[in-house]
Amino acid sequence: GAVVSQHPSWVICKSGTSVKIECRSLDFQATTMFWYRQFPKQSLMLMATSNEGSKATYEQGVEKDKFLINHASLTLSTLTVTSAHPEDSSFYICSASQAGQGGSPLHFGNGTRLTVT
Amino acid sequence: GNSVTQMEGPVTLSEEAFLTINCTYTATGYPSLFWYVQYPGEGLQLLLKATKADDKGSNKGFEATYRKETTSFHLEKGSVQVSDSAVYFCALSDTARGYQKVTFGTGTKLQVIP
Repeated sequence: GAVVSQHPSWVICKSGTSVKIECRSLDFQATTMFWYRQFPKQSLMLMATSNEGSKATYEQGVEKDKFLINHASLTLSTLTVTSAHPEDSSFYICSASQAGQGGSPLHFGNGTRLTVT
Repeated sequence: GNSVTQMEGPVTLSEEAFLTINCTYTATGYPSLFWYVQYPGEGLQLLLKATKADDKGSNKGFEATYRKETTSFHLEKGSVQVSDSAVYFCALSDTARGYQKVTFGTGTKLQVIP
């Protein structure tokens, strides 16, 4: 089945530094990838939608200069949390949609636990 | 816009009990409906799906039927196991923007005790 690999699975960084999270589709082409943030009470918040070769579409309230998204190829999207602060600590999950598969389920990575100290 | 409402948890059941997690949705058009499961510390996994009215999705003993008349997609399992303890998300997707956008419910935590 379709596999999405997310790396790293956890990261601890100091306040003010930047962290990059990678999301790769291993055995399919993903024209669209999605980045979610999951809060402690488990709700998933869509942060942005990333289309290969174009700028990401950010949801309302998400700072695009803080959460930089790059979707350079059909199998890789990255999320960079710039100048991280403790309030950015969270569980970030990516997902990918297979090209030409409207209505098909999303395939999720295993998430990245970010802790900013 | 689209929305998904599911019952708040946590839901605590004894092993072998019957499970129902309610889910209703609001959407324009004809969305596809999904249930995802999240085990502790992991990402989401697709549990089952239904793409049109009256379809029944099923997997690992779980079932859900796409009810257009009641805009519902309730998750059921006849006999839960401790290993079913997880968070369950109801979701819908549409392709109105030319790509698939998924709307999730807030998740329902299930705890199954021996």
